[in-house]
Amino acid sequence: DSGVTQTPKHLITATGQRVTLRCSPRSGDLSVYWYQQSLDQGLQFLIQYYNGEERAKGNILERFSAQQFPDLHSELNLSSLELGDSALYFCASSVGVASQGTGELFFGEGSRLTVL
Amino acid sequence: GQSLEQPSEVTAVEGAIVQINCTYQTSGFYGLSWYQQHDGGAPTFLSYNGLDGLEETGRFSSFLSRSDSYGYLLLQELQMKDSASYFCAVRAPSGGYQKVTFGTGTKLQVIP
Repeated sequence: DSGVTQTPKHLITATGQRVTLRCSPRSGDLSVYWYQQSLDQGLQFLIQYYNGEERAKGNILERFSAQQFPDLHSELNLSSLELGDSALYFCASSVGVASQGTGELFFGEGSRLTVL
Repeated sequence: GQSLEQPSEVTAVEGAIVQINCTYQTSGFYGLSWYQQHDGGAPTFLSYNGLDGLEETGRFSSFLSRSDSYGYLLLQELQMKDSASYFCAVRAPSGGYQKVTFGTGTKLQVIP
């Protein structure tokens, strides 16, 4: 158990709809990262937050948005869903300070989104 | 930005040794990490190299050459449970924080 909690574990929805994925980071971790993993693909970096503020952005579509709340949990919002958005969405957390240690990311179990 | 290359698939025999290579291009660099992911599971951290050389953790070792932008993961005494995908990841500076970019992953199949 990594200590990172993601909900929901599975989600099935239709094209054009909007969903929200939720992540609670490991206790004490201030950084939250979101990754998308399509079938048999790598982990595509979407966005990173540190202590409530956006710190890095990857290939995140304009239809997607995220935020980190004062209690440090984060939400990833996906709107106007398309078939191609079907994927496993992972949240990871870390201490977040760049110079510290190994920068190990602790991953949640992921939210599997299926768009029909 | 960052880009990483690693072989897509590797097959090895139980008990043998396998090496998974990773080359990367990056602007800014803190270090290279390796993660393991079993089918349908979450990636888990295996090792990290911030400096050149070899890091050993049990049956797993990881190597980094910063001058060559190259690293590898060495798995010894392979077990069936080692069948999984292995990702190298570059840890790079991003506005005073870190950004972690993953390679496309190497699917390792261990056969009897």
